[in-house]
Parts: sequence; structure tokens; C-alpha cells
Amino acid sequence: DQQVKQNSPSLSVQEGRISILNCDYTNSMFDYFLWYKKYPAEGPTFLISISSIKDKNEDGRFTVFLNKSAKHLSLHIVPSQPGDSAVYFCAVMNNNAGNMLTFGGGTRLMVKP
Amino acid sequence: DAGVTQSPTHLIKTRGQHVTLRCSPISGHKSVSWYQQVLGQGPQFIFQYYEKEERGRGNFPDRFSARQFPNYSSELNVNALLLGDSALYLCASSRLGTKADTQYFGPGTRLTVL
Repeated sequence: DQQVKQNSPSLSVQEGRISILNCDYTNSMFDYFLWYKKYPAEGPTFLISISSIKDKNEDGRFTVFLNKSAKHLSLHIVPSQPGDSAVYFCAVMNNNAGNMLTFGGGTRLMVKP
Repeated sequence: DAGVTQSPTHLIKTRGQHVTLRCSPISGHKSVSWYQQVLGQGPQFIFQYYEKEERGRGNFPDRFSARQFPNYSSELNVNALLLGDSALYLCASSRLGTKADTQYFGPGTRLTVL
């Protein structure tokens, strides 16, 4: 059973507009949430994280929102740039499992110039 | 500073063979984790090591094993390869292996089992 789901396999956005990537999780024991970006032929790169005591965290163009009651996580990118085109993975951590990451299946973001 | 390095970059093996993948963490990082990424899916956790001790193990068969050396580099071994083991194997390092400790991934080793 998938504990972390990214229901949109792909997303296409115009340059300058907002990109919203979504992620749902099932286990309420998850208490730390992350987003990674992956370009082809490279490993995932950490983008932004949020702990369960917060509902929003911002870093430049990237904002992560956490809705614990809905078990839903989203990443907003504003404004989107062509260089943001990549596969985005949400990942979660359980408070009893070291720093083991459980990843979603990924969403491919395409930002059109 | 050098990032996480992995070797080899690509590997082709046949069913039943054994493979060893290698990872060198970022200097100063004491924790190494291994992930398997099958095409079209997200990475799946295999092992975490910290200070040469296994700290976590994912849901993988005993054919998968790993170890960490005194210099914090790590090896992932897979015995009796199956076609389903074909995947990108990612190594990630972090300073202390704790929750808020950012994990940095290497570029991966692409394993193809024929």
C-alpha cells in the first residue's frame, strides 16, 4: 500500500505563473515532510521541508503548505521558471525511523517559456 | 567540496549474478542511506548506516546487504540478481543521520539485469 501519493504524474505551467504540486499521505505518525527535485541523470536535490508543528514554510520562490487534518502537503512555486522543469518528489519521515525517507511517485513539472 | 559520489555509473549483469555498488559520502558526513528507484516510481528506502552501524532497514529481501567502512564510505551488495532488481540505486549522505539533517543524494548507479 502506498503511504505517500502524488496523484498528478505531470503538470504543465506557463513561465511566470504559479505551479502547485500536491501530495497526500496516510500515516498520522509522519511528522516531517520534504520536497525534492530531480533532473535527469542526477540524484534528487533537497528543496524545502516542514515539520508537523507548522502549517507553512517559505524559502524564496518555494512555499510548502501542510494540512495535517487532511494529511495533505503542497508545494507552490511562484513565479515558475523554465529551469524549474524537473520531477518533484514529496517525502515524509516517521518520528521513530532515523532519517528514512518515504517518497511519493513524483510529478513531472514542465514550465513553458 | 565534492558531493556524494557513486560507482559505477552503469552496470549490466545477468540473472543469478552478484553486484557490489559503492558510495563515498560528502566529507564530514557520517551517515549513508541507500535507495532503489524503479522506473516511474519514487525512491524506496533500503538501508541506513551511521558510524558503521545499521540504523534502519527497508522492506527488501536478505539478498540485499550493505556495510559502512571506517572512512564512512559504503557498499551495497545484491546477491542472486533478479530481473526486478533493475533500477537506479541512489546513495544519500548526511552529517548525523537525524531527522532534520538534510540528505544529499549522489547521481546513482543504473543497474540493468538481463
